[in-house]
Amino acid sequence: GEEVAQTPKHLVRGEGQKAKLYCAPIKGHSYVFWYQQVLKNEFKFLISFQNENVFDETGMPKERFSAKCLPNSPCSLEIQATKLEDSAVYFCASSQSNRANEQFFGPGTRLTVL
Amino acid sequence: GENVEQHPSTLSVQEGDSAVIKCTYSDSASNYFPWYKQELGKRPQLIIDIRSNVGEKKDQRIAVTLNKTAKHFSLHITETQPEDSAVYFCALDGMDTGRRALTFGSGTRLQVQP
Repeated sequence: GEEVAQTPKHLVRGEGQKAKLYCAPIKGHSYVFWYQQVLKNEFKFLISFQNENVFDETGMPKERFSAKCLPNSPCSLEIQATKLEDSAVYFCASSQSNRANEQFFGPGTRLTVL
Repeated sequence: GENVEQHPSTLSVQEGDSAVIKCTYSDSASNYFPWYKQELGKRPQLIIDIRSNVGEKKDQRIAVTLNKTAKHFSLHITETQPEDSAVYFCALDGMDTGRRALTFGSGTRLQVQP
């Protein structure tokens, strides 16, 4: 597609439940990035992929967060045992390989942990 | 890691006036400096970017200037309109570490008064 797609738009989970978010990058884009935007507007980088390979995972809270980008499937970000502080908007962005720093964002998934 | 400071945090101008938002950074190896506009509840949209081999770039009412020596870059919006009201984020690409993830400023809420 011509835009990054993310599902679902909203997700509500009870504390301790699992949450799974999906992202379809723009067709032909080989880099995918996940960012977390909390209430104060600050963006936190979580993880990036080059095709199906993890490119940079330095921002991931590894004990509960995991992510995948498999061939012919949307990328996913999964949070096991959600905590209240995981409430945020999760954005996915994608970029082309030859202009990898021009990132285009999806509409985001708003996760609310109760 | 990379640090980006963005000022001001809020900015209110009258329609038709100019608005200037400034970001300073600490790592001289950064080479790509985008600006994003985010309306309430929407995705960040890339509005203009500049690379380190250029000092200024303009696109209609929007311009960005970069001073690599002083490590700051600024967004200039002229002839502001109510639809310019949004939160604006500066960012930079951490190419010094081989990462392509963006580091964002803390955002500037621009309010254009009709």
